Amino acid sequence: GEDVEQSLFLSVREGDSSVINCTYTDSSSTYLYWYKQEPGAGLQLLTYIFSNMDMKQDQRLTVLLNKKDKHLSLRIADTQTGDSAIYFCAEIGNSGNTPLVFGKGTRLSVIA
Amino acid sequence: GAGVSQSPSNKVTEKGKDVELRCDPISGHTALYWYRQSLGQGLEFLIYFQGNSAPDKSGLPSDRFSAERTGGSVSTLTIQRTQQEDSAVYLCASSWGQGAGELFFGEGSRLTVL
Repeated sequence: GEDVEQSLFLSVREGDSSVINCTYTDSSSTYLYWYKQEPGAGLQLLTYIFSNMDMKQDQRLTVLLNKKDKHLSLRIADTQTGDSAIYFCAEIGNSGNTPLVFGKGTRLSVIA
Repeated sequence: GAGVSQSPSNKVTEKGKDVELRCDPISGHTALYWYRQSLGQGLEFLIYFQGNSAPDKSGLPSDRFSAERTGGSVSTLTIQRTQQEDSAVYLCASSWGQGAGELFFGEGSRLTVL
């Protein structure tokens, strides 16, 4: 079955870059996603990448995809205290009929 | 409202009681999902609906859990004879259709079973 793994915690200083990593098992994944959950809130889609791309940049966010190693990363440049949240990696399979499979989430703490 | 609405936002109940959690999706969204979020467990998929039918119930943890959706809109997740291990945040999400990657989440219903 599909599985998505992430490290649980990351702590960075304000202004530094954060890199959150994720590995997945379903090689047929068509899209991979990053969701953000702020305290006391539901998840919000942050960004996504199509499986035929290896990089996507969106302002301070850079998504890197290594399909061979089934590794996805999210880089946040110039990390701010407002970036403190839980970040979830998620994949959707090729069939399009299965719901998103989420990782356990990485809690990012930004130290001022 | 414009977003996914869940109620109650907080529920404290005694072990053995039944609870009902409600989700009101974004108007026009045909797919609706229930996830459970526990400390250290991440997001656990429970069930999803396409319209009023549930093609995938594989995530329901036990037969004490059931869900229904009526009129292609509101969904109710029912937990019978609650146990302490049912304590978690229950998140509902909706999307334009099955297989969509952009899910719109509610703020969740926090359930505490004493």
